[in-house]
Amino acid sequence: EPEVTQTPSHQVTQMGQEVILRCVPISNHLYFYWYRQILGQKVEFLVSFYNNEISEKSEIFDDQFSVERPDGSNFTLKIRSTKLEDSAMYFCASNWDREGQPQHFGDGTRLSIL
Amino acid sequence: GENVEQHPSTLSVQEGDSAVIKCTYSDSASNYFPWYKQELGKGPQLIIDIRSNVGEKKDQRIAVTLNKTAKHFSLHITETQPEDSAVYFCAAFGGYQKVTFGIGTKLQVIP
Repeated sequence: EPEVTQTPSHQVTQMGQEVILRCVPISNHLYFYWYRQILGQKVEFLVSFYNNEISEKSEIFDDQFSVERPDGSNFTLKIRSTKLEDSAMYFCASNWDREGQPQHFGDGTRLSIL
Repeated sequence: GENVEQHPSTLSVQEGDSAVIKCTYSDSASNYFPWYKQELGKGPQLIIDIRSNVGEKKDQRIAVTLNKTAKHFSLHITETQPEDSAVYFCAAFGGYQKVTFGIGTKLQVIP
């Protein structure tokens, strides 16, 4: 069964540095998402992406964050000037259609900011 | 915006018993309600979902019910097995792609 894959599984970064989290969505999917899960808390929506542009974003997704689909397979989340509170699990998800279609999640990248 | 409440936060059941997890939502425009199972070190995996035009859906040992009037939906797992132990999240989609998750329920099935 096709899977969403994320790399790296664990990223350790010094506070203030930039980090890029990478995702390869399922190949025929058109809608891509990033979520964040702080330890012990709920999964929070960050951003959705379709047709090479952001279609929706939450209040968490401020100017510190950006997303990009640099080629036909990768979908990246960039976090600039990382802060301690950015430490969390970041999940990528994709689906082939919007609105009420199941999203397929990757296994996440654990981001630790020191 | 949408607010999803989920309870209980932890649930322990004996193997073979049933488990019920309940969620409420606030936005009457929400129309799609998936349930995810998250095992340690893994991402959320969809286990069942229900749309607003349906009151109940069943898939083997798992069922979901939806009461749109009361704005609540529930997950029912029957004949629980140790491999059902995980964290379960409910979610509500309120139009387009905006989604709100519940806080999660840690289910422990005791052999």
